[in-house]
Amino acid sequence: GDKVKQSPSALSLQEGTNSALRCNFSIAATTVQWFLQNPRGSLINLFYLVPGTKENGRLKSAFDSKESYSTLHIRDAQLEDSGTYFCAAEGTGSKLSFGKGAKLTVSP
Amino acid sequence: EAAVTQSPRNKVAVTGGKVTLSCNQTNNHNNMYWYRQDTGHGLRLIHYSYGAGSTEKGDIPDGYKASRPSQENFSLILELATPSQTSVYFCASGDPGGDTGQLYFGEGSKLTVL
Repeated sequence: GDKVKQSPSALSLQEGTNSALRCNFSIAATTVQWFLQNPRGSLINLFYLVPGTKENGRLKSAFDSKESYSTLHIRDAQLEDSGTYFCAAEGTGSKLSFGKGAKLTVSP
Repeated sequence: EAAVTQSPRNKVAVTGGKVTLSCNQTNNHNNMYWYRQDTGHGLRLIHYSYGAGSTEKGDIPDGYKASRPSQENFSLILELATPSQTSVYFCASGDPGGDTGQLYFGEGSKLTVL
């Protein structure tokens, strides 16, 4: 089965609204990373997390290793937030397993 | 800024041919990774490396070899390319587990096997 399950797989937002993405892990994740793949295909690292939370501008992420999940909150969504968001969990041996992604579309 | 460079960016190969995808990083990271991205599958790990001379099998290594001749370079080799290996391949470097373990990705290499 999938080691990392992301939900939802797709969502649409209007500018200015808020949303949350979630990843559940079936492996014992020690660290989590969140990426944005922009429309050009580039993968941009948003967060690297040990258990705890981080915030960067309108984005906030949390990682709970005991409950095996991570979340990414987007506040006041902007058009440039559109793209596909991936989470990745580090398991044994520095291997990162990725979720299948969540496609976000922000419209005016 | 961390830099990972892949070449070629686009490649068309014939079935049965040999393909080598190259990756160079200037981040002095120990770990390097090769992933492929396909619709509906996200990114799947093919091979990875802990340092020069090391290669490890990822989750989908069949049909691929890897080579890490130096800290900076990590290659993915398809000895006998097949159409099922048509995909976008991403290289990454990073040392997860520490305080600053984020992965940095290259721009991707689009491979089409005819």
